[in-house]
Amino acid sequence: DAGVIQSPRHEVTEMGQEVTLRCKPISGHDYLFWYRQTMMRGLELLIYFNNNVPIDDSGMPEDRFSAKMPNASFSTLKIQPSEPRDSAVYFCASSGGIQIVGNEQFFGPGTRLTVL
Amino acid sequence: AQSVTQLDSQVPVFEEAPVELRCNYSSSVSVYLFWYVQYPNQGLQLLLKYLSGSTLVKGINGFEAEFNKSQTSFHLRKPSVHISDTAEYFCAVRGGSNFGNEKLTFGTGTRLTIIP
Repeated sequence: DAGVIQSPRHEVTEMGQEVTLRCKPISGHDYLFWYRQTMMRGLELLIYFNNNVPIDDSGMPEDRFSAKMPNASFSTLKIQPSEPRDSAVYFCASSGGIQIVGNEQFFGPGTRLTVL
Repeated sequence: AQSVTQLDSQVPVFEEAPVELRCNYSSSVSVYLFWYVQYPNQGLQLLLKYLSGSTLVKGINGFEAEFNKSQTSFHLRKPSVHISDTAEYFCAVRGGSNFGNEKLTFGTGTRLTIIP
């Protein structure tokens, strides 16, 4: 299994530009999570999906952030417009869900976003 | 709701010495507990997890953790560390049932540095 796949691995953009981060979860997993990691705030859960439906988006910082999961094998996190304070490493994770007791989350390698 | 406290932000240890990384949690319900490791420029990887049963849990790379319900702790230990154990370690907790409790709450992390 290839694991959770994220693209791009690195993104450098200028303030005001739109940024789209992509994630392919592990096949068969029905939960998908988006996290943000910074030195100041640590690891924060932004949003998570179950069976492609957003369950909890209370961690999304503001309206500039949006996430979608059009199908079971693809999700996007979009920032529009981007700001320098959005610079962070963004992780996607997936898990096998309710049918597996104590199922763990599997993390992707992350996307390092730098907004100039 | 659950919360996690990792008391030590940084722990330096000499190579081949033992180490303990501390984790305390707070929850009004039964919990599942996890330890994840993050190597530089990588995503998080599961070290071990406690779901139920034996309070001593063994994980990968020679790590183990003990669940102590009375002290609400889940400390991570290794009897002899190696240079390759240099990484950031995260304790995480979630509600101990499989229905509607997929959200993990992470601690702020402990940076383990092995001194040759």
